[in-house]
Amino acid sequence: SQQGEEDPQALSIQEGENATMNCSYKTSINNLQWYRQNSGRGLVHLILIRSNEREKHSGRLRVTLDTSKKSSSLLITASRAADTASYFCATAQGAQKLVFGQGTRLTINP
Amino acid sequence: DARVTQTPRHKVTEMGQEVTMRCQPILGHNTVFWYRQTMMQGLELLAYFRNRAPLDDSGMPKDRFSAEMPDATLATLKIQPSEPRDSAVYFCASGLVQFTGELFFGEGSRLTVL
Repeated sequence: SQQGEEDPQALSIQEGENATMNCSYKTSINNLQWYRQNSGRGLVHLILIRSNEREKHSGRLRVTLDTSKKSSSLLITASRAADTASYFCATAQGAQKLVFGQGTRLTINP
Repeated sequence: DARVTQTPRHKVTEMGQEVTMRCQPILGHNTVFWYRQTMMQGLELLAYFRNRAPLDDSGMPKDRFSAEMPDATLATLKIQPSEPRDSAVYFCASGLVQFTGELFFGEGSRLTVL
């Protein structure tokens, strides 16, 4: 079974708006990562946040982590058409295992 | 430009046939993962290796699937016999054992079993 559950399953916004995606997980983690997948392609790593961190930034990306609620959010600011993709959270269980959620399908309308 | 290479990119086969998918991890990476992606199940972890040794293949149907790393530059995933329900995109990913870092994914092998 999947560890992470993304919410919403699909999101459609206008170019320039901010997009927020959420991820909930069930067990304790070492870190949480976000990946992007363009249609027909492999996944690409975006950002990693460790279990002792609460917030992290990378360019237009902002990730938060609340371990007490077992949840994370990914914010993409000033969205662009090129941000259209599926976004997955992944939790690192133990020292090795990376388990992915079902993903959020993001569509940016020009 | 280091990347994970998967072959074949596309495979159409008939039920009962053997299918072998290959992966060349990034040089120097010592963990290799196999995932399967379908619309219904999303990304499922099938198996992963560290330093070529299998650490966990609990996600893999043992009766028909097998995963191996004959050497550090090659990982294989074999299905024998294949079934229509095996139709999916199979991804290989590699990384480093000091696992606070990212996984690098290949472009996937799209398998269709008729």
